[in-house]
Amino acid sequence: EAGVTQFPSHSVIEKGQTVTLRCDPISGHDNLYWYRRVMGKEIKFLLHFVKESKQDESGMPNNRFLAERTGGTYSTLKVQPAELEDSGVYFCASSQRPGGVSYEQYFGPGTRLTVT
Amino acid sequence: AQRVTQPEKLLSVFKGAPVELKCNYSYSGSPELFWYVQYSRQRLQLLLRHISRESIKGFTADLNKGETSFHLKKPFAQEEDSAMYYCALSGGGGATNKLIFGTGTLLAVQP
Repeated sequence: EAGVTQFPSHSVIEKGQTVTLRCDPISGHDNLYWYRRVMGKEIKFLLHFVKESKQDESGMPNNRFLAERTGGTYSTLKVQPAELEDSGVYFCASSQRPGGVSYEQYFGPGTRLTVT
Repeated sequence: AQRVTQPEKLLSVFKGAPVELKCNYSYSGSPELFWYVQYSRQRLQLLLRHISRESIKGFTADLNKGETSFHLKKPFAQEEDSAMYYCALSGGGGATNKLIFGTGTLLAVQP
């Protein structure tokens, strides 16, 4: 079974440009999460989809970040316009539908974003 | 506030020595605690969770609600244990089950 995949693995863009990150969860996983690790800091939650609906987007830093999950399959995270502080590693994770007990979250390899 | 604290950025031990990676948490409610591990060039993966109360790769972790700790222990470290270890808490209310991570501890096992 294929794991969570993310594309691209690394992106280098200039400040002010736009970047779109993609995440393909494990097939059948309703829950999709985005996290980010900024250099030297902890991995932080950004948002959570259940199928195509945003369950929790409390971690989104500002309105330059837009996440979508049309059709409840893959998800995209767009940063527009990118700023220097957006540099970091963006992780995607997916899990089965929770039913009272947390299901394991399976992580993708991450996308390293560098804004220059 | 919900928080996970891992006080050590780096822990270096010799092969065969005992290992204890510290994790303390702050959470109002009944938390679910996890240890995730990231080996070199691999993705983040779940090592163990407190509700399972199992030993994985020789590692164990006991949830101590009085001390709000979830330290990870192994009696005899192996070189292949060298990795980044993250303690995480599941919370946030509702059905989100989002993970709150600590800053991680790099475990280096010397031969």
